[in-house]
Amino acid sequence: GQNIDQPTEMTATEGAIVQINCTYQTSGFNGLFWYQQHAGEAPTFLSYNVLDGLEEKGRFSSFLSRSKGYSYLLLKELQMKDSASYLCACLDSNYQLIWGAGTKLIIKP
Amino acid sequence: DTAVSQTPKYLVTQMGNDKSIKCEQNLGHDTMYWYKQDSKKFLKIMFSYNNKELIINETVPNRFSPKSPDKAHLNLHINSLELGDSAVYFCASSPKTLVESALGETQYFGPGTRLLVL
Repeated sequence: GQNIDQPTEMTATEGAIVQINCTYQTSGFNGLFWYQQHAGEAPTFLSYNVLDGLEEKGRFSSFLSRSKGYSYLLLKELQMKDSASYLCACLDSNYQLIWGAGTKLIIKP
Repeated sequence: DTAVSQTPKYLVTQMGNDKSIKCEQNLGHDTMYWYKQDSKKFLKIMFSYNNKELIINETVPNRFSPKSPDKAHLNLHINSLELGDSAVYFCASSPKTLVESALGETQYFGPGTRLLVL
């Protein structure tokens, strides 16, 4: 079956760095997305990786290892507004998006 | 200007009723989607429409039926509502089908409709 695993909840301190991991098992692979979802709001796009390596975009970076079925989202210089859920999603061989349940990130002052 | 809008934002109704949720996008996108996010926060795709043609239809009950009067609208009709239908329903749109785009085309989500069936 298809499965995406990510931690349910993480806590970090304002100004620090946090890494949110995602492992996936899908039937085929056409890329991995990270989305941010604030409580009660819709998901918003953060990043897309299809090749191995690190993609950097401001304070956020996303890494992919296809051979390991693994990705992480790295958030630097954490701000209180980064408190949200972070959803990992994979495009399978049928180009269907398979979603993880999300990691709730709590930022403390 | 709201890119993807849904109405209503909240919907509380009784079991057995029939209800509709409307979705409109003003981005000129080709494809629209309906997702269900349950209490465990999993996002599950229900339908997608490309140029008025259903291209993905997950195994959802036939009580759910999408209706697309034009490219900018994809409404969701639900008949004989059940307790398990309580969830947040998100509409989304993307510029191309995921098959055609394949690389990095993203989905733009509406604000969600919180459905509670009593």
